[in-house]
Amino acid sequence: AQSVAQPEDQVNVAEGNPLTVKCTYSVSGNPYLFWYVQYPNRGLQFLLKYITGDNLVKGSYGFEAEFNKSQTSFHLKKPSALVSDSALYFCAVRDAGRGSTLGRLYFGRGTQLTVWP
Amino acid sequence: EAQVTQNPRYLITVTGKKLTVTCSQNMNHEYMSWYRQDPGLGLRQIYYSMNVEVTDKGDVPEGYKVSRKEKRNFPLILESPSPNQTSLYFCASSLSWLNTGELFFGEGSRLTVL
Repeated sequence: AQSVAQPEDQVNVAEGNPLTVKCTYSVSGNPYLFWYVQYPNRGLQFLLKYITGDNLVKGSYGFEAEFNKSQTSFHLKKPSALVSDSALYFCAVRDAGRGSTLGRLYFGRGTQLTVWP
Repeated sequence: EAQVTQNPRYLITVTGKKLTVTCSQNMNHEYMSWYRQDPGLGLRQIYYSMNVEVTDKGDVPEGYKVSRKEKRNFPLILESPSPNQTSLYFCASSLSWLNTGELFFGEGSRLTVL
């Protein structure tokens, strides 16, 4: 069964420090992996995705994520955090195949990132 | 402006009173989906539609109905709402679901069932 785990409900970092938001996944086939961000009282916004190719993918607002197939992880990273990065972050996975789960996208529970000035 | 529009944004209703949450996108997207967001549970998929007249169940379809009669609209129907359907609902769409599948989300509809 497809699933996503975000092991940390909350991540706190000081502005200017690097940040990591963790995500591990489980899919039966090859994964398509996504990160979304949600600001208060807003819908989710797409940040970045891994489909195939280079394991390090770059996205919006200076974020990047590293796909690690052996560890089934897709951690979100940023070299230098900003206060404005404070938000709720969701990891999501779908199976790249065209089987019965074609239309399904599975989200983690979310990680609240707080960046302190 | 490209967007996914949901209405109403806020609604308080009573148990058993049928309601519809509308969703419309102006991007000619084939794929549309409904999610509910609950604290500690993340987003859970209710229903999705790969194209007009094609809908399928997600993780939590019980108590909900959908229809996709035209490409731009994907309403979510609660025939007899119950308090456990109190939640924040999001509609989303995707142009390239079959290839990559990033979603565009609406702003959400906060529903309270008393």
